[in-house]
Amino acid sequence: EVQLLESGGGLVQSGGSLRLSCAASGLSFSTQAMSWVRQAPGKGLEWVSGISGSGGTTYFADSVKGRFTISRDNSKNTLYLQMNTLRVEDTALYYCAAGGTAGTAMDVWGQGTTVTVSS
Amino acid sequence: SYVLTQPPSVSVAPGETARITCGGNNIGSRSVHWYQQGPGQAPVLVIFYDSDRPSGIPERFSGSNSGNTATLTISRVEAGDEADYYCQVWDTTSDHPVFGGGTKLTVL
Repeated sequence: EVQLLESGGGLVQSGGSLRLSCAASGLSFSTQAMSWVRQAPGKGLEWVSGISGSGGTTYFADSVKGRFTISRDNSKNTLYLQMNTLRVEDTALYYCAAGGTAGTAMDVWGQGTTVTVSS
Repeated sequence: SYVLTQPPSVSVAPGETARITCGGNNIGSRSVHWYQQGPGQAPVLVIFYDSDRPSGIPERFSGSNSGNTATLTISRVEAGDEADYYCQVWDTTSDHPVFGGGTKLTVL
């Protein structure tokens, strides 16, 4: 069974940083593109970032470009999202998902980790 | 960037057919994926590449895509189908996925 488990969320002040992690199991992680998707309270889904299986290609939404970095450690089957210069509007539930790059579907999702940015 | 338009809500009685639309400029030329998100739950992929169903998704769920509209059809709707549904495509201009605003399906 494929499982994705996010961690690292929390409460941070505006301008601060957080690093999210997503531990994957049950899939061929090193060949699987991965994505981060967020959902602000009461709002819809917003794609944030994606990365190829090798880590050589990364993608970012305009809203986070220059502030967030996506990376992966294929030896640890773990995906990361480094979030810097956080803003109040970054407050959301952050999901990691398998797939989502180059037109592919996001076929497995984690349960999410909550990020709250206070002013 | 590419914009996907969904109706905010759709209501249907149990046993009837629900149709949830996703509008976009010439969306028929793109591949559409659909996700179901139950209350307090993570999204689940229910349709990929317009009309394919992942294993474990009931045959009651089907999809189509033509012209400027993609449609998710749920036949013989059950109470457990009550959820938010999102369409998603890949935007070749910005090189990233785009989600529709979501449709809340209410089972009367």
